[in-house]
Amino acid sequence: DAGVTQTPRHEVAEKGQTIILKCEPVSGHNDLFWYRQTKIQGLELLSYFRSKSLMEDGGAFKDRFKAEMLNSSFSTLKIQPTEPKDSAVYLCASSLGADAEQFFGPGTRLTVL
Amino acid sequence: QQNVQQSPESLIVPEGARTSLNCTFSDSASQYFWWYRQHSGKAPKALMSIFSNGEKEEGRFTIHLNKASLHFSLHIRDSQPSDSALYLCAVTVMRGANTGKLTFGHGTILRVHP
Repeated sequence: DAGVTQTPRHEVAEKGQTIILKCEPVSGHNDLFWYRQTKIQGLELLSYFRSKSLMEDGGAFKDRFKAEMLNSSFSTLKIQPTEPKDSAVYLCASSLGADAEQFFGPGTRLTVL
Repeated sequence: QQNVQQSPESLIVPEGARTSLNCTFSDSASQYFWWYRQHSGKAPKALMSIFSNGEKEEGRFTIHLNKASLHFSLHIRDSQPSDSALYLCAVTVMRGANTGKLTFGHGTILRVHP
């Protein structure tokens, strides 16, 4: 059974560009999460879906970050426009439910110049 | 707003030592408690979880939870160099709109030297 897959693994963008990160959760998982990880801020939740419904739209991140769950097996995270402070590793995770382990993808390392 | 704090920030121990990592949380409605481990350049992976007060042991790893003190910990017996990683504690609140949302601490960097 495949784990969580994320593409691309690396992305370099110019300031002001639009980038789209992709995630395929583990088959059968109901919950999907997008996180951002930096050394300073640690692991921050950006968005959270339960059975394709948006439960958390990212609070402070909502103005330039938009996550969508197009179907139960595919999600995207759009950052528009990108800023240098967005440079980080973006992780997608999925789980069976609230009391279940979250399985993380390998992440996308984003560098914004 | 859940606040999850970890201590220490980093730790260096010799091979074979017993290691203790700590995590405090602020929301008394927290119900599920996790430790995740992240090796350098890799994704976080769940190590252990506990859902009720007390202790749970799996091999060299033990979790201890005290909900009244808003504290849980991870203890590693006979630490190995392969245990060197970033350890993240995480807490799930099961209440209202935050149901199922996992809040992570900033992590403890553990280095076990041979």
